[in-house]
Amino acid sequence: DMVMTQSPATLSVSPGERATLSCRASQSVNLNLAWYQQKPGQAPSLLIYGASTRAAGIPARFSGSGSGTEFTLTISSLQSEDFAVYYCQQYYNWPSFGQGTKLEIK
Amino acid sequence: QVQLLQSGAEVKKPGASVKVSCKASGYTFTRYYMHWVRQAPGQGPEWMGIINPSSGVRTYAQKFQGRVTMTRDTSASTVYMELSSLTFEDTAVYYCARDLDIVEGPAAHFFEYWGQGTLVTVSS
Repeated sequence: DMVMTQSPATLSVSPGERATLSCRASQSVNLNLAWYQQKPGQAPSLLIYGASTRAAGIPARFSGSGSGTEFTLTISSLQSEDFAVYYCQQYYNWPSFGQGTKLEIK
Repeated sequence: QVQLLQSGAEVKKPGASVKVSCKASGYTFTRYYMHWVRQAPGQGPEWMGIINPSSGVRTYAQKFQGRVTMTRDTSASTVYMELSSLTFEDTAVYYCARDLDIVEGPAAHFFEYWGQGTLVTVSS
């Protein structure tokens, strides 16, 4: 099974600063990697697919990079609404998700 | 706009079955693959399977083979997920989630639209 590992588990960042979240796949997924944002009590929301393509309506401050087994989600200047849990998901094989990174206000 | 409206919360005893519905609107129901994803408390999401609403063809995650059944009613623009032989570990929020891609080609296997979720609690 494809295992997705996210780090760190919790990231504390001040509003206006940059946040960098990591995701590692147990084997290569090429560019078949998506990122989601989830706020409490809500369903996940698609941010990025194809490792770096923003979904419709997603602000430019969200960017994705990486390929193979190492991926990064960068939020360039944190807004209050960005504090949430973020999940990566591979779709090279049957879909699997990471355990999430909680982005909290410092 | 695309909406996926799921049925309400359920409480079930161990060994029972649960059936969750997901009614789609705002697009042509039979054009897009639909998935089911669940999320246990404090955990990441977990993919359960996919159904082609046009043909009815479905594929289940190996973990749920033999316990899950996904069906659809095209006249009602609704997909269903039934999970049997429930255990405490099946307590989770269950989501339907629409694929990015249309059924004329392969599924993308990532999720552009999500239902609001249905909490299934397994309790004795």
